[in-house]
Amino acid sequence: DAKTTQPNSMESNEEEPVHLPCNHSTISGTDYIHWYRQLPSQGPEYVIHGLTSNVNNRMASLAIAEDRKSSTLILHRATLRDAAVYYCILSSQGAQKLVFGQGTRLTINP
Amino acid sequence: NAGVTQTPKFQVLKTGQSMTLQCAQDMNHNSMYWYRQDPGMGLRLIYYSASEGTTDKGEVPNGYNVSRLNKREFSLRLESAAPSQTSVYFCASSEAGLANYGYTFGSGTRLTVV
Repeated sequence: DAKTTQPNSMESNEEEPVHLPCNHSTISGTDYIHWYRQLPSQGPEYVIHGLTSNVNNRMASLAIAEDRKSSTLILHRATLRDAAVYYCILSSQGAQKLVFGQGTRLTINP
Repeated sequence: NAGVTQTPKFQVLKTGQSMTLQCAQDMNHNSMYWYRQDPGMGLRLIYYSASEGTTDKGEVPNGYNVSRLNKREFSLRLESAAPSQTSVYFCASSEAGLANYGYTFGSGTRLTVV
């Protein structure tokens, strides 16, 4: 599986947008980009995923660079409940499993 | 509520004891997974079952066995627990074996081996 690189930690303020970066310079043409988050003492939670085009859902937006070597998870208006570890994961077409890295620990300040 | 249910939520074992962690999903998902998460670490895949009747090893299968009892249930067994198996164990399921579907995770089993 191709590798992703994320900052270990980030901080933001409540009610402000948050941009969480992920680098994946070795991504292949058929790799999907997934984002999960893990709130304290809970299991991971699916956030969003995409292949080439930007994606939006009720939780977040995923902006994918034109060359697909990086992507950004955007939380439009952070709340305290968004404090979590965010994982960026690549999966190849036909892959049977997801492999988690270390993720980015996001702290939201009131 | 629909989702993935794990039992027990907490367990303390003595070294050498055995136990089975249970996982059940009610979403009619084909694929199921067992991960472990050590303190301050990401999740590591132990075993997975892409479909009923099949199981495969993940990154860290040593010391574990699994059984896909039916489409709903996927159990993880520790035959002889060791302190290195102290961890939080998460079960997950997804619609198909392809990783371009989202996973649904259970709330975890916190296991301590003394």
